[in-house]
Amino acid sequence: QKEVEQDPGPLSVPEGAIVSLNCTYSNSAFQYFMWYRQYSRKGPELLMYTYSSGNKEDGRFTAQVDKSSKYISLFIRDSQPSDSATYLCATARAGGTSYGKLTFGQGTILTVHP
Amino acid sequence: DVKVTQSSRYLVKRTGEKVFLECVQDMDHENMFWYRQDPGLGLRLIYFSYDVKMKEKGDIPEGYSVSREKKERFSLILESASTNQTSMYLCASNRQGSLKGTQYFGPGTRLLVL
Repeated sequence: QKEVEQDPGPLSVPEGAIVSLNCTYSNSAFQYFMWYRQYSRKGPELLMYTYSSGNKEDGRFTAQVDKSSKYISLFIRDSQPSDSATYLCATARAGGTSYGKLTFGQGTILTVHP
Repeated sequence: DVKVTQSSRYLVKRTGEKVFLECVQDMDHENMFWYRQDPGLGLRLIYFSYDVKMKEKGDIPEGYSVSREKKERFSLILESASTNQTSMYLCASNRQGSLKGTQYFGPGTRLLVL
């Protein structure tokens, strides 16, 4: 079983829809949770970052972590065609080395059509 | 503006060839990473390096080796390429002890082994 599981989709929604992307993880040692966005033919870029449980909002994007259920979510409000990309969740352990080693989910392909 | 560059965007090689993939970062980062990305499997860590001449195996090191002779440069070597190494290869870097989760990625090299 992978340490981080993510539904690969693909997910297709109309412009303006609310999008919900989700991951589950199995290792309680994970303390840092991120969402990366990857456009076609590009490398991933960090979109959102949260530490431990809670919500974080940035414009139309909200990242949510529920450590009790080991569940990570990304919500996109008023989705736009420019949001069409692959979204990857990622986690990192606290303490230990400071290498910043990440564990990624499989990625969800999102298409927002006009 | 942070920058991670990879030597080639596309490569076609034959089975048994020795393949070199190069990555250069201009951010003076201590940590560098090599991933491969395959549909449905997400990003899987091959090797990482936390200092010059230092390396650690990731989750899937078999069939690969790495070299880090200078801080800014991290090379991935396929000693004898095989068809199952056809994939997208992504290089990333971050600073030692930095905000966990912030890895900066290159654009990727799409390798086809015939």
